[in-house]
Parts: sequence; structure tokens; C-alpha cells
Amino acid sequence: KQEVTQIPAALSVPEGENLVLNCSFTDSAIYNLQWFRQDPGKGLTSLLLIQSSQREQTSGRLNASLDKSSGRSTLYIAASQPGDSATYLCAVRTTSGTYKYIFGTGTRLKVLA
Amino acid sequence: EAGVAQSPRYKIIEKRQSVAFWCNPISGHATLYWYQQILGQGPKLLIQFQNNGVVDDSQLPKDRFSAERLKGVDSTLKIQPAKLEDSAVYLCASSTQGAEAFFGQGTRLTVV
Repeated sequence: KQEVTQIPAALSVPEGENLVLNCSFTDSAIYNLQWFRQDPGKGLTSLLLIQSSQREQTSGRLNASLDKSSGRSTLYIAASQPGDSATYLCAVRTTSGTYKYIFGTGTRLKVLA
Repeated sequence: EAGVAQSPRYKIIEKRQSVAFWCNPISGHATLYWYQQILGQGPKLLIQFQNNGVVDDSQLPKDRFSAERLKGVDSTLKIQPAKLEDSAVYLCASSTQGAEAFFGQGTRLTVV
């Protein structure tokens, strides 16, 4: 059974710092991995999608890497800003016929001005 | 392109009452998901439709939860009777098969 874990659960950093959020999963047979952002009271916004054959994806100040063999992904945020404050969720998509997402519990990030 | 629409945004009900949520997916998306997100946790899949057929409802509490997707487009999720532990955000998402899923804003349910 696939399980997804995110560490740390919460993180508080001063503005301008580079930071890394971690995601680990127990079954390496994944279709893809996706990072989402969730603001309080809001839905999920997709940040980066990494296909199982890819090693990393970049969008602006965000870079996500994937190491399927070790069951790990990292989300790197460069030069953090107060507007980056949110909960970041990692989700893996199964390779079974249902292609369902299995989510981690999230990392709650606060960037201090 | 219009996103996934959900209504209502917020709902407060008393325990043992019933409630229904509605989701309108992105046009052309055959796959529709309902997720439950309890405060402080990641979303958990309740049910997944492919067109109007159910492909995964293994974590749906079938004694109180039901869902349908008539005509393979809109979907409704119902809870009857509601319990305190059903307080959560209910998220709907849609995708073409195997492709990136797009999520709605969610419905926040509070059971008192």
C-alpha cells in the first residue's frame, strides 16, 4: 500500500532564504508526482508535475526533483517571499488503472517579512 | 478554460442531518474525483468516476456517503446522516485519464 510522508510538518523561515521541502513514498511504481500549494480555506493549486521518467521540473523560483529508486522528491524554493506562505502538498499518482492521487499530510510554510 | 466548479463553498449542519455537494468538472474530463480533507491532514480519496462508472470507492463510508455522476458530467456527493467527524473540506477534481488533475475550491463542511 502506497504511503506518502512529508517532512517537516511545519517550517518558519525569514524572507529571502532558500528552502527544501521533502516528500517520501513507499512504492516506487508511480505514474507521476505532483506538488500542490494550498492557501487557507482554498483548494489546491498545481505547482509542478514530474512524470516517472523525469528527474526534475522547474518553474520560476521552484524546482522539484524526483528519485524513484529511493522513493523521494524534494521541492526547492529559492529566495522565499512572504507570499510563499501556504501549505505544500506532495501527491503520487499510482500506476494502477485508477491513476488515483495519494497525498502526503503537507508542510505548512511561513515566510517571515 | 473554466475550472472545476463546486457548490456550496461553506455548509454548517447539525449532526444526523443530511447534506449534498455538487461538482461540475472541466468540460471533456472523463475522470472525476471526490476527496475529503480533514483539518491538518492531506486529502483522502473517497470516490473516483470514469465517465459515469465508479472505478474506486474503497474508502467511501458507504453506510452514510453516496455519490453519483449521472450522464458522466456533473456529480453530487451526499452524506446522510452526518456525524461530527465528517467536518472537513470536500474537494472535487477532474482530469482526462492519466493526465494532470485540476481541483475545485472545495466545500467546507462543519457538523455541529
